Amino acid sequence: EAQVTQNPRYLITVTGKKLTVTCSQNMNHEYMSWYRQDPGLGLRQIYYSMNVEVTDKGDVPEGYKVSRKEKRNFPLILESPSPNQTSLYFCASSSLDRESEQYFGPGTRLTVT
Amino acid sequence: AQTVTQSQPEMSVQEAETVTLSCTYDTSESDYYLFWYKQPPSRQMILVIRQEAYKQQNATENRFSVNFQKAAKSFSLKISDSQLGDAAMYFCAYRRWGNFNKFYFGSGTKLNVKP
Repeated sequence: EAQVTQNPRYLITVTGKKLTVTCSQNMNHEYMSWYRQDPGLGLRQIYYSMNVEVTDKGDVPEGYKVSRKEKRNFPLILESPSPNQTSLYFCASSSLDRESEQYFGPGTRLTVT
Repeated sequence: AQTVTQSQPEMSVQEAETVTLSCTYDTSESDYYLFWYKQPPSRQMILVIRQEAYKQQNATENRFSVNFQKAAKSFSLKISDSQLGDAAMYFCAYRRWGNFNKFYFGSGTKLNVKP
């Protein structure tokens, strides 16, 4: 089954404790992206990657890091989480075909206290 | 910069009636794609419909259709014969093409369906 998986689905942590949210896709997609969703703001892009070892900042990259060492994986790293990073996070992937939509993971609900 | 605007934070429709959700976008590009995504309470993002900017014909998918006005940069979603299962958050999205391949999303419209 074609899918994007994210782990964990829920996470409660404390300020400053480094964490990683994993993302993996099995569709051999080149394009992968991380979004955060906040009420009234829609989906805002954090980082995206066009292929292995190619990443670029989205609209809200501050406080986040990513890496793309393998085509299927695109982890999101919060080195020192803060309460303003409490949000719903989505990983998504897409082929580079012009008509391809993005396929989304199930979301990760992160709470930073 | 590309922006996508959904001016209706929340809307309501009676079951079996028709509702139209609005979306406008700002771009200087001529080649791009537009999408509508549905997000039910399960939070899963589901593609509803897509439209290529070069196609004048409006896309349709069963009860869902769009009104694409390229000159006006408008991309509205019409839901006919609304069902209770249509209740969800709806997001409009724009995909820029070429060297700056990127997606942009609106802030969403919450659709309530009344029985």
